[in-house]
Amino acid sequence: EAQVTQNPRYLITVTGKKLTVTCSQNMNHEYMSWYRQDPGLGLRQIYYSMNVEVTDKGDVPEGYKVSRKEKRNFPLILESPSPNQTSLYFCASSWDRGGVELFFGEGSRLTVL
Amino acid sequence: GIQVEQSPPDLILQEGANSTLRCNFSDSVNNLQWFHQNPWGQLINLFYIPSGTKQNGRLSATTVATERYSLLYISSSQTTDSGVYFCAVYTNAGKSTFGDGTTLTVKP
Repeated sequence: EAQVTQNPRYLITVTGKKLTVTCSQNMNHEYMSWYRQDPGLGLRQIYYSMNVEVTDKGDVPEGYKVSRKEKRNFPLILESPSPNQTSLYFCASSWDRGGVELFFGEGSRLTVL
Repeated sequence: GIQVEQSPPDLILQEGANSTLRCNFSDSVNNLQWFHQNPWGQLINLFYIPSGTKQNGRLSATTVATERYSLLYISSSQTTDSGVYFCAVYTNAGKSTFGDGTTLTVKP
């Protein structure tokens, strides 16, 4: 089954404790992207990747890092999480960077105390 | 960057009613998608529609790219249609912008 898989789905952590949210897709997609969603708002793009070893900042990259060492995986790293990073995070992928349909993971709800 | 505005922000309907949701965007885009976010937070793809009209059951969508808007039509609404509807636009540079959504409540 074609899918985008995120882990963990739910996480409660404390300020400053490094964490990684993994994202994996099995569709051989070139493009992957991370978003955050805060209450009452749409999704805002954090980082995206056009292909292996190619990443770019979205609209809200501060406090986050990403890597794309292999095509299927695009982890989101919070080196020193803060309470303002409490949010619902989504990973997405597509064949290409802007011309085709995006497929989303089920979301990861992160709480930073 | 591109601005995306959705209207109305909230919509309450009686079951069986029809509705039209609108998405305006401020610049040329390569792609536009409509999503439904269910009460559990999952994003469900509804339409990938950079231009033209598509239909899927009770839902249809039209994008007029030259006039920078898209419409989502929901006919004979059901309580399961409740949730938040987002439109998202994408550029060829890889960036994407979501609107703030329309929250739809369908009452039995």
